[in-house]
Amino acid sequence: DGGITQSPKYLFRKEGQNVTLSCEQNLNHDAMYWYRQDPGQGLRLIYYSQIVNDFQKGDIAEGYSVSREKKESFPLTVTSAQKNPTAFYLCASSMDSGGGYEQYFGPGTRLTVT
Amino acid sequence: GENVEQHPSTLSVQEGDSAVIKCTYSDSASNYFPWYKQELGKGPQLIIDIRSNVGEKKDQRIAVTLNKTAKHFSLHITETQPEDSAVYFCAASPPYSGTYKYIFGTGTRLKVLA
Repeated sequence: DGGITQSPKYLFRKEGQNVTLSCEQNLNHDAMYWYRQDPGQGLRLIYYSQIVNDFQKGDIAEGYSVSREKKESFPLTVTSAQKNPTAFYLCASSMDSGGGYEQYFGPGTRLTVT
Repeated sequence: GENVEQHPSTLSVQEGDSAVIKCTYSDSASNYFPWYKQELGKGPQLIIDIRSNVGEKKDQRIAVTLNKTAKHFSLHITETQPEDSAVYFCAASPPYSGTYKYIFGTGTRLKVLA
């Protein structure tokens, strides 16, 4: 089955700790994205990558970092500099970042920081 | 930049009735408008999309209309069923610096009452 996997589904961390969220896709998509979802708000773009070894900041990149060493993988690190890290994080991919391609979403990771 | 407003934030309908969700966008350069359905604890899934060269698109009980002049687009669900209960997000995709980003609305929670 082709798709996007995110792990873990639930993640708990103490304040001051960095945490890395996993995202893997086997759709052979070039573009990958990370979104943050908070109650009552739409999905907000954190980072996106159009191709391996390249990524750009989205609208709310402060306190986050990413890497894209492989086409299939786009991990997100939530650093201790992120002031309000508790949220639902969604990874997505699309065939290409241009031209209005459908984005396929993973099941999400709910991060709770206390 | 692009801004997408979505209304209503919650919508309750009786099973069998129709539901309409409306979105307005600000950037006239936007040319791709997807609608996503998100069930509880899951990632969003594309249900229908429309491009700016089309005014209406249907897929069984679901339809989307686009008014480019007024810069708004709407999702129509007919003969609603309990399994239609979910959160629905609209999005607009404007080209920024050669990369098409999605700007999401804030979501509509649809409840279909049996």
